[in-house]
Amino acid sequence: NAGVTQTPKFRILKIGQSMTLQCTQDMNHNYMYWYRQDPGMGLKLIYYSVGAGITDKGEVPNGYNVSRSTTEDFPLRLELAAPSQTSVYFCASSYLTVATNEKLFFGSGTQLSVL
Amino acid sequence: DQQVKQNSPSLSVQEGRISILNCDYTNSMFDYFLWYKKYPAEGPTFLISISSIKDKNEDGRFTVFLNKSAKHLSLHIVPSQPGDSAVYFCAASSQAGTALIFGKGTTLSVSS
Repeated sequence: NAGVTQTPKFRILKIGQSMTLQCTQDMNHNYMYWYRQDPGMGLKLIYYSVGAGITDKGEVPNGYNVSRSTTEDFPLRLELAAPSQTSVYFCASSYLTVATNEKLFFGSGTQLSVL
Repeated sequence: DQQVKQNSPSLSVQEGRISILNCDYTNSMFDYFLWYKKYPAEGPTFLISISSIKDKNEDGRFTVFLNKSAKHLSLHIVPSQPGDSAVYFCAASSQAGTALIFGKGTTLSVSS
């Protein structure tokens, strides 16, 4: 199994450009998450999804949008890139909610620079 | 305000010695705690966890201790190996939570 796959691994954007970070999982997990990690900081939740068609905001959702049309895919959209969005983005998934003592499985990350 | 705190940004240990990584939390509703390990250019990988009904969980060289009254947990690695050099994140969740809450991480360097 591939697990959680993120593309691209690296990307440089100009201010104001838009892009979509792709995330797909092949574990039939219901729950999917997007986190960002800034240097010296922990992972902060951007958005999460509890199943196809259902998404909700996390701690730092401003400037981002998500959709969940299938169980497998959970893309993250940046509409107007800003330097503050320079970060490493991690997608994660879990079969059950973390409220049931579930652990998350992470992708390898996308390093994004906005210049 | 940070709910999960890892106050030591870095730790250096010699091979064969014990590594102790610490984590404090403020939210008394947290009832499940996890440690993740992260190598450069890779995603975090699950290492070990502990439920609030326990005070210790062991898996090979890794042991996590939980002190609920102090809202403190620690990860012990014995003996430490150079391959253990990585960033270690402490994370927590609650029954009312929707996702894991992470600390800032501690970079462990194990020298041979």
